[in-house]
Amino acid sequence: GEDVEQSLFLSVREGDSSVINCTYTDSSSTYLYWYKQEPGAGLQLLTYIFSNMDMKQDQRLTVLLNKKDKHLSLRIADTQTGDSAIYFCAVYSGGYQKVTFGIGTKLQVIP
Amino acid sequence: DVKVTQSSRYLVKRTGEKVFLECVQDMDHENMFWYRQDPGLGLRLIYFSYDVKMKEKGDIPEGYSVSREKKERFSLILESASTNQTSMYLCASSPTVAGLPDTQYFGPGTRLTVL
Repeated sequence: GEDVEQSLFLSVREGDSSVINCTYTDSSSTYLYWYKQEPGAGLQLLTYIFSNMDMKQDQRLTVLLNKKDKHLSLRIADTQTGDSAIYFCAVYSGGYQKVTFGIGTKLQVIP
Repeated sequence: DVKVTQSSRYLVKRTGEKVFLECVQDMDHENMFWYRQDPGLGLRLIYFSYDVKMKEKGDIPEGYSVSREKKERFSLILESASTNQTSMYLCASSPTVAGLPDTQYFGPGTRLTVL
């Protein structure tokens, strides 16, 4: 089955850019997502990208997809303390509504 | 806005008790999911349902069952709770729309502690 990997932790200073990385194994993956989980809350969809795209930008968020290397990244520009959360990479690669989630990267923003 | 609600934010139960976790969505979504979230393991799919009275096993169904009698409600049942089922339980729902991604909307989670 699909395997999705992320690093566990990232620390950045307020105002810097954050880059959260994710790798996956199934080359037939069609949709790739980034979710955000704030403390004590459920997951909130941030953005997604289709596999036929290389990049998607949405305000401070930029998603890059390298299909050859099966690598997905989320860049947050001008990171704020409110961006402190756990970020989950998720991949849909067929099957009935089956999405595989990574373990989540905890982003700590230092004021 | 899509709203997914879960019956309890925190729950404490004793080993051997039967536990019901309820999830309700208000957007007429066809698909509903139950996950558990544990540190270092991320989200793991327990069960999902793509229609009323339909259910499919996820990656870790052992020790759990589900019920979907109405489209908006999906219940997770722990027949005999054990301490290794102490976890955060997340419910999600998604619509079935041809050609669009499976965008799952999550509830706030239920933190279950089994003593």
